[in-house]
Amino acid sequence: GAGVSQSPRYKVAKRGQDVALRCDPISGHVSLFWYQQALGQGPEFLTYFQNEAQLDKSGLPSDRFFAERPEGSVSTLKIQRTQQEDSAVYLCASSLTTGDHRNQPQHFGDGTRLSIL
Amino acid sequence: GDSVTQMEGPVTLSEEAFLTINCTYTATGYPSLFWYVQYPGEGLQLLLKATKADDKGSNKGFEATYRKETTSFHLEKGSVQVSDSAVYFCALFGDYKLSFGAGTTVTVRA
Repeated sequence: GAGVSQSPRYKVAKRGQDVALRCDPISGHVSLFWYQQALGQGPEFLTYFQNEAQLDKSGLPSDRFFAERPEGSVSTLKIQRTQQEDSAVYLCASSLTTGDHRNQPQHFGDGTRLSIL
Repeated sequence: GDSVTQMEGPVTLSEEAFLTINCTYTATGYPSLFWYVQYPGEGLQLLLKATKADDKGSNKGFEATYRKETTSFHLEKGSVQVSDSAVYFCALFGDYKLSFGAGTTVTVRA
């Protein structure tokens, strides 16, 4: 596709429910990133994939958060037993290569706005 | 670790006014620096970037110069328009991930 696509655009869940957020990166992009953006804040790094390999998950807030990218394309961020503090916009970004990242900007999707009641 | 501090908003300006948003950073090594913009109802878009000291990034009338000596990357535009109303984020790229500032909301009045 032309850009990074995320679905759903909005998600409302009750506390304790599990949710799954999907990201379709730009075709051919090797690197994929998830960020969490709380209201009024800048995005915070969650996790990074290079193809299907999850190379860094240091930003995941707890073991309730899990991300996968099994075929090196689409990625899913799953949150189990959601809590109110999980309410945020979840952003996915992709970039072209694993080479010199300094010149490979990350392209962002529009995000999924998650609200936990 | 890497961090970015940017000027707090909100900032309200009249059309054709001069805009400056301050951004300073802390990083190991020599990061790339970026400004991203988020228009109402839209996703983050790359506005401009600079990859080494003294580089100047520019786009849509906005400019920012990578100043290693002051660890800064201030965003400027000489004459803003209503359409520039948005949230602006300064970010640095260390290794492979972006570290963002908190964002500055800019509102331009006609």
